This record gives sequence, C-alpha cells and structure tokens, in this order.
Amino acid sequence: AQTVTQSQPEMSVQEAETVTLSCTYDTSESDYYLFWYKQPPSRQMILVIRQEAYKQQNATENRFSVNFQKAAKSFSLKISDSQLGDAAMYFCAYRSAYGGATNKLIFGTGTLLAVQP
Amino acid sequence: DGGITQSPKYLFRKEGQNVTLSCEQNLNHDAMYWYRQDPGQGLRLIYYSQIVNDFQKGDIAEGYSVSREKKESFPLTVTSAQKNPTAFYLCASSIPGQGKSNEQFFGPGTRLTVL
Repeated sequence: AQTVTQSQPEMSVQEAETVTLSCTYDTSESDYYLFWYKQPPSRQMILVIRQEAYKQQNATENRFSVNFQKAAKSFSLKISDSQLGDAAMYFCAYRSAYGGATNKLIFGTGTLLAVQP
Repeated sequence: DGGITQSPKYLFRKEGQNVTLSCEQNLNHDAMYWYRQDPGQGLRLIYYSQIVNDFQKGDIAEGYSVSREKKESFPLTVTSAQKNPTAFYLCASSIPGQGKSNEQFFGPGTRLTVL
C-alpha cells in the first residue's frame, strides 16, 4: 500500500522569504501523480500544484514550485516570496495512475505553515 | 458559479442518533468522494462513487453509509455504529479517468460534533 509522510508538523517563515515543505512517499508503482493542497483557516481545500511522475521537469505555479526526486521518492514544495495569505495547512497527496478510474487520493498528515510579518 | 456545497456547516448529534451530511455539486463530475479529517491524521477516504447508483468503500467505511441516486448528490450518513464520529467531513468530486491527473475539487466541509 502507498503511504505519504510529511515529517514537519509545523513550519514558520518570514514574509517575503522562501520556505520548503517536505514530503516523502512510498510506492512500488512507476506511474502516479503527486499533489500539494492548501487548507487555510476557512478549511477549504485548494489545489496548489500537481506533478506527473513520468515528467522529469519540476512543476511550477507562480511562487510555488516542487522538487520532485523520483528515485528518492521525495516531493517537496517551495514557496518563494512568502505572503501572509500563504499561512495554512499544506497537505501532500499521492494518486496512482493504475487500478481503474478510482482517483483515490492518499494524504500525508499535513504541515502547518505560519507566516511572520 | 460551479462548485460543491456541503450542508450544514456545523452539525451536532446526540449519541445513538444517525445523521446525514449533504453534498451537492454542479460541476457535472461523475466521481464523488467523502473524506474524514482528524487532527494530526490528514484526510482519510470513507466512501467514493464513480457513477450514479454505484459506490465503493474507502479505508474507513465502518459506521458510515452513502447513496448515489443522482449525479449531483452524494449524501453521507453517519450511523450510531460509528464509534468516534466527531470530526470534520469533506466532500470532493472529480472527472474520473485513468491515466489523468484529474483534480479533486473540495466542498467547504461539515464539522460534526457528537454530544
């Protein structure tokens, strides 16, 4: 069974600085998808960025980028120029590309990010 | 506006009572999901449905039931058999498709508290 591990329960960053959130996963599959979701205090889950395992190029979305290391099974999220609105719980998630159309997501336990003004 | 609605936002239940959480989507998505969120445990899948009149158990289905009579609706019933129902419940939907990184869209959630 696949697992996702986020080893940093809490992180803090100064406004305008850069922070990296860690995520590792365990799988025997070769094709899969990885996601970072943001959950602000409103508790609405918002997709931040996604990565397809067969793509070597790291995904980027404006100030958000990932460092995808397939061999190491690592998928970290880098937030550049941190803003107060980035303060939230961040979840890393895995989805298999096999097994039919389940689209089942497997989540890590989350990292609570605080942004200091 | 397209999206997912969940109601109510807060729900209180006495022990021994069944309660139903509503989830409606107008995104025309075939697939819908229910997750439970507890502090320090991330989100765990309760039930999912890929198509109307069909659904499957997720990782923690015991004590829960669902129905999928309409494409837009996927209500979750928390039964008295669920031993620890106090949690935050999230509904999601997506376009199913093997081999695609289809995003799951989430509703705003329902906070259930058992008194």
